[in-house]
Amino acid sequence: AQTVTQSQPEMSVQEAETVTLSCTYDTSESDYYLFWYKQPPSRQMILVIRQEAYKQQNATENRFSVNFQKAAKSFSLKISDSQLGDAAMYFCAYQQGGSEKLVFGKGTKLTVNP
Amino acid sequence: ETGVTQTPRHLVMGMTNKKSLKCEQHLGHNAMYWYKQSAKKPLELMFVYNFKEQTENNSVPSRFSPECPNSSHLFLHLHTLQPEDSALYLCASSQDLNRAREKLFFGSGTQLSVL
Repeated sequence: AQTVTQSQPEMSVQEAETVTLSCTYDTSESDYYLFWYKQPPSRQMILVIRQEAYKQQNATENRFSVNFQKAAKSFSLKISDSQLGDAAMYFCAYQQGGSEKLVFGKGTKLTVNP
Repeated sequence: ETGVTQTPRHLVMGMTNKKSLKCEQHLGHNAMYWYKQSAKKPLELMFVYNFKEQTENNSVPSRFSPECPNSSHLFLHLHTLQPEDSALYLCASSQDLNRAREKLFFGSGTQLSVL
């Protein structure tokens, strides 16, 4: 079964600085997708960024970018110029191609200090 | 406004009660989902509906009974729950089935406490 591991239960960063959240996954499939979701105190899960496994280029969305290392099965999220509104739980997730099921990690709580 | 609304926001119930969670999406989507987020486990998919038809039941106990009367509404009927069922129940929708092509839109969840 596929698993997703987030080894950092909590992280903190100073406002305007850069932080990297780690994620590793385990799969024997070649067709899959990886995601980072953000869950602020409002509890609503919001998609931050998505990466297709077949794409070598790392996905970026404004201040958010990923470092996708397929051979190492690593998928880290970099947040640049951190803002107070970035404070939230961040979840890494895996989805096998053709499946409805997202497999989530346990999350990393990010604190942004002013 | 996310387009996916869940009510109630909080719910406390006894093990012998019967209650229902409601989810409504205003996005014109065809697929809807129930997820469970408990304190000790990662977020888990429970049910998937596409055009009102259930397409996936992720081995959920029968004390959870979903209902999808139309593509805009999704209910989760609860009866004879256990304390370990206490969790945040999140509803989500997508334009079509989410085979990683579609973006999921989540509601803010119902925080359920079973006493």
